Amino acid sequence: DTGVSQNPRHKITKRGQNVTFRCDPISEHNRLYWYRQTLGQGPEFLTYFQNEAQLEKSRLLSDRFSAERPKGSFSTLEIQRTEQGDSAMYLCASSLVEPLYEQYFGPGTRLTVT
Amino acid sequence: SQKIEQNSEALNIQEGKTATLTCNYTNYSPAYLQWYRQDPGRGPVFLLLIRENEKEKRKERLKVTFDTTLKQSLFHITASQPADSATYLCALDLNTGGFKTIFGAGTRLFVKA
Repeated sequence: DTGVSQNPRHKITKRGQNVTFRCDPISEHNRLYWYRQTLGQGPEFLTYFQNEAQLEKSRLLSDRFSAERPKGSFSTLEIQRTEQGDSAMYLCASSLVEPLYEQYFGPGTRLTVT
Repeated sequence: SQKIEQNSEALNIQEGKTATLTCNYTNYSPAYLQWYRQDPGRGPVFLLLIRENEKEKRKERLKVTFDTTLKQSLFHITASQPADSATYLCALDLNTGGFKTIFGAGTRLFVKA
Protein backbone atom coordinates (compact mmCIF):
# COMPACT_ATOMS: atom_id res chain seq x y z
CA ASP A 1 0.00 0.00 0.00
CA THR A 2 1.55 3.29 -1.06
CA GLY A 3 -0.85 5.58 0.75
CA VAL A 4 -0.48 7.45 4.03
CA SER A 5 -0.63 5.15 7.05
CA GLN A 6 -1.30 6.00 10.69
CA ASN A 7 -0.86 3.98 13.83
CA PRO A 8 -2.59 3.16 16.01
CA ARG A 9 -6.04 3.48 14.47
CA HIS A 10 -7.70 3.76 17.86
CA LYS A 11 -6.34 4.79 21.24
CA ILE A 12 -8.17 4.92 24.55
CA THR A 13 -6.30 6.54 27.40
CA LYS A 14 -6.96 7.92 30.82
CA ARG A 15 -6.78 11.61 31.51
CA GLY A 16 -3.27 12.68 32.43
CA GLN A 17 -1.50 9.99 30.40
CA ASN A 18 0.80 10.70 27.47
CA VAL A 19 0.07 9.33 24.01
CA THR A 20 2.09 9.16 20.80
CA PHE A 21 0.80 8.66 17.29
CA ARG A 22 2.78 7.77 14.21
CA CYS A 23 2.30 8.79 10.59
CA ASP A 24 4.06 7.31 7.57
CA PRO A 25 3.56 9.57 4.55
CA ILE A 26 3.75 8.73 0.86
CA SER A 27 7.46 8.16 0.33
CA GLU A 28 8.20 10.89 -2.22
CA HIS A 29 6.19 13.59 -0.41
CA ASN A 30 8.22 16.37 1.23
CA ARG A 31 5.38 17.89 3.22
CA LEU A 32 3.60 16.32 6.13
CA TYR A 33 0.62 17.82 7.99
CA TRP A 34 -1.18 17.05 11.23
CA TYR A 35 -4.84 17.92 11.80
CA ARG A 36 -7.40 17.32 14.49
CA GLN A 37 -11.05 16.73 13.65
CA THR A 38 -14.09 16.59 15.92
CA LEU A 39 -17.58 15.48 14.98
CA GLY A 40 -19.32 17.81 12.56
CA GLN A 41 -16.24 19.95 11.98
CA GLY A 42 -13.63 20.10 9.30
CA PRO A 43 -10.01 19.17 10.01
CA GLU A 44 -8.28 21.75 12.19
CA PHE A 45 -4.69 22.53 11.22
CA LEU A 46 -2.11 21.69 13.91
CA THR A 47 1.29 21.80 12.26
CA TYR A 48 3.23 20.96 9.13
CA PHE A 49 6.72 19.89 8.12
CA GLN A 50 8.71 20.32 4.98
CA ASN A 51 11.22 17.52 5.09
CA GLU A 52 12.42 17.51 8.71
CA ALA A 53 11.75 21.20 9.38
CA GLN A 54 8.59 22.19 11.26
CA LEU A 55 7.54 25.34 9.37
CA GLU A 56 4.16 26.21 10.79
CA LYS A 57 2.43 25.50 14.07
CA SER A 58 -1.07 26.51 15.06
CA ARG A 59 -1.40 29.01 17.88
CA LEU A 60 -4.20 26.78 19.11
CA LEU A 61 -1.67 24.07 19.80
CA SER A 62 -0.79 24.11 23.46
CA ASP A 63 2.65 23.19 24.73
CA ARG A 64 1.29 19.75 25.63
CA PHE A 65 1.43 18.91 21.92
CA SER A 66 4.69 18.24 20.14
CA ALA A 67 5.46 16.82 16.73
CA GLU A 68 8.65 15.56 15.16
CA ARG A 69 9.80 14.36 11.79
CA PRO A 70 13.40 13.42 12.60
CA LYS A 71 14.61 12.12 9.24
CA GLY A 72 12.10 13.78 6.97
CA SER A 73 10.16 10.55 6.60
CA PHE A 74 7.71 9.38 9.28
CA SER A 75 6.37 11.74 11.91
CA THR A 76 5.16 11.40 15.48
CA LEU A 77 2.64 13.52 17.35
CA GLU A 78 2.79 13.38 21.13
CA ILE A 79 0.19 14.70 23.53
CA GLN A 80 1.29 15.01 27.12
CA ARG A 81 -1.03 15.04 30.13
CA THR A 82 -4.09 14.30 28.01
CA GLU A 83 -7.38 16.00 28.77
CA GLN A 84 -10.90 14.96 27.83
CA GLY A 85 -11.01 17.83 25.35
CA ASP A 86 -8.22 16.14 23.41
CA SER A 87 -10.63 13.40 22.33
CA ALA A 88 -10.81 13.65 18.54
CA MET A 89 -9.66 12.11 15.29
CA TYR A 90 -6.04 12.98 14.54
CA LEU A 91 -5.35 13.05 10.84
CA CYS A 92 -2.05 13.06 9.03
CA ALA A 93 -1.62 14.12 5.41
CA SER A 94 1.28 14.46 3.00
CA SER A 95 1.90 16.33 -0.22
CA LEU A 96 4.52 17.35 -2.70
CA VAL A 97 5.89 20.89 -2.67
CA GLU A 98 5.62 21.80 -6.35
CA PRO A 99 3.58 21.92 -8.43
CA LEU A 100 0.91 19.81 -6.80
CA TYR A 101 -0.23 20.88 -3.37
CA GLU A 102 -3.09 18.49 -2.93
CA GLN A 103 -2.92 16.58 0.31
CA TYR A 104 -3.32 12.84 0.72
CA PHE A 105 -4.79 11.88 4.05
CA GLY A 106 -4.32 8.82 6.19
CA PRO A 107 -7.20 7.01 7.89
CA GLY A 108 -6.67 8.85 11.16
CA THR A 109 -6.13 7.87 14.78
CA ARG A 110 -9.24 8.06 16.95
CA LEU A 111 -8.27 9.21 20.46
CA THR A 112 -10.64 8.79 23.38
CA VAL A 113 -9.62 10.26 26.72
CA THR A 114 -11.61 8.89 29.66
CA SER B 1 -12.75 37.87 11.96
CA GLN B 2 -11.65 35.15 9.57
CA LYS B 3 -14.29 32.64 8.54
CA ILE B 4 -14.97 29.88 6.03
CA GLU B 5 -18.65 29.13 5.60
CA GLN B 6 -20.19 26.14 3.92
CA ASN B 7 -23.88 25.25 3.88
CA SER B 8 -24.40 23.89 7.36
CA GLU B 9 -27.60 22.10 6.37
CA ALA B 10 -27.44 18.89 4.40
CA LEU B 11 -28.17 19.06 0.70
CA ASN B 12 -30.66 16.50 -0.60
CA ILE B 13 -30.96 16.00 -4.35
CA GLN B 14 -32.37 13.47 -6.77
CA GLU B 15 -30.09 11.18 -8.73
CA GLY B 16 -29.16 12.65 -12.11
CA LYS B 17 -29.46 16.26 -10.98
CA THR B 18 -26.59 18.70 -10.47
CA ALA B 19 -25.47 19.33 -6.91
CA THR B 20 -24.06 22.78 -6.18
CA LEU B 21 -22.15 23.40 -2.97
CA THR B 22 -21.00 26.81 -1.79
CA CYS B 23 -17.91 27.94 0.06
CA ASN B 24 -17.66 31.56 1.23
CA TYR B 25 -14.76 33.06 3.12
CA THR B 26 -13.96 36.36 4.78
CA ASN B 27 -10.68 38.06 5.67
CA TYR B 28 -8.54 35.44 3.96
CA SER B 29 -6.45 35.77 0.82
CA PRO B 30 -5.89 32.18 -0.23
CA ALA B 31 -3.29 31.24 -2.77
CA TYR B 32 -5.23 28.07 -3.56
CA LEU B 33 -8.62 26.59 -2.83
CA GLN B 34 -9.23 22.88 -2.65
CA TRP B 35 -12.25 20.60 -2.40
CA TYR B 36 -12.19 17.28 -0.61
CA ARG B 37 -14.66 14.47 -0.08
CA GLN B 38 -14.96 12.73 3.27
CA ASP B 39 -16.88 9.57 4.07
CA PRO B 40 -17.79 8.71 7.69
CA GLY B 41 -14.84 7.42 9.70
CA ARG B 42 -12.33 8.05 6.93
CA GLY B 43 -9.80 10.72 6.04
CA PRO B 44 -10.64 13.34 3.40
CA VAL B 45 -9.93 12.54 -0.24
CA PHE B 46 -8.64 15.26 -2.59
CA LEU B 47 -10.92 16.16 -5.50
CA LEU B 48 -9.90 19.46 -7.12
CA LEU B 49 -7.51 22.36 -6.59
CA ILE B 50 -7.93 25.81 -8.13
CA ARG B 51 -5.41 28.65 -7.99
CA GLU B 52 -6.23 32.28 -7.21
CA ASN B 53 -5.67 33.29 -10.84
CA GLU B 54 -7.98 30.58 -12.21
CA LYS B 55 -11.71 31.03 -12.64
CA GLU B 56 -12.84 27.47 -13.28
CA LYS B 57 -11.54 23.91 -13.15
CA ARG B 58 -13.15 20.69 -14.34
CA LYS B 59 -12.55 17.03 -13.75
CA GLU B 60 -14.96 14.48 -15.14
CA ARG B 61 -18.36 15.26 -13.54
CA LEU B 62 -16.87 17.84 -11.17
CA LYS B 63 -16.52 21.56 -11.70
CA VAL B 64 -15.23 24.22 -9.34
CA THR B 65 -15.31 27.99 -9.75
CA PHE B 66 -13.33 30.52 -7.76
CA ASP B 67 -14.25 34.20 -7.50
CA THR B 68 -11.68 36.08 -5.43
CA THR B 69 -13.73 39.28 -5.64
CA LEU B 70 -16.82 37.66 -4.15
CA LYS B 71 -14.60 35.47 -1.97
CA GLN B 72 -16.61 32.47 -3.04
CA SER B 73 -16.14 29.04 -4.59
CA LEU B 74 -18.87 26.90 -6.07
CA PHE B 75 -18.50 23.15 -6.42
CA HIS B 76 -20.74 21.31 -8.88
CA ILE B 77 -21.36 17.60 -9.33
CA THR B 78 -23.26 16.91 -12.53
CA ALA B 79 -25.33 13.76 -13.17
CA SER B 80 -25.15 13.01 -9.46
CA GLN B 81 -25.26 9.40 -8.23
CA PRO B 82 -26.08 7.88 -4.82
CA ALA B 83 -22.36 7.03 -4.54
CA ASP B 84 -21.66 10.78 -4.46
CA SER B 85 -23.32 10.98 -1.04
CA ALA B 86 -20.65 12.21 1.38
CA THR B 87 -19.43 15.32 3.16
CA TYR B 88 -17.63 17.82 0.94
CA LEU B 89 -14.99 20.05 2.48
CA CYS B 90 -13.69 23.35 1.16
CA ALA B 91 -10.10 24.20 2.13
CA LEU B 92 -8.07 27.39 1.74
CA ASP B 93 -4.30 27.29 1.34
CA LEU B 94 -2.78 30.42 2.89
CA ASN B 95 0.66 31.59 1.94
CA THR B 96 1.81 32.53 5.42
CA GLY B 97 5.48 32.20 4.66
CA GLY B 98 4.95 28.54 5.07
CA PHE B 99 1.67 27.12 3.86
CA LYS B 100 -1.26 26.56 6.14
CA THR B 101 -4.52 24.93 5.14
CA ILE B 102 -7.82 25.97 6.70
CA PHE B 103 -10.86 23.72 6.24
CA GLY B 104 -14.53 24.59 6.36
CA ALA B 105 -16.92 22.45 8.37
CA GLY B 106 -18.21 20.74 5.23
CA THR B 107 -21.58 20.18 3.61
CA ARG B 108 -23.30 16.81 3.78
CA LEU B 109 -24.71 15.73 0.42
CA PHE B 110 -27.37 13.04 0.05
CA VAL B 111 -28.23 11.81 -3.44
CA LYS B 112 -31.47 9.82 -3.59
CA ALA B 113 -32.02 7.10 -6.17
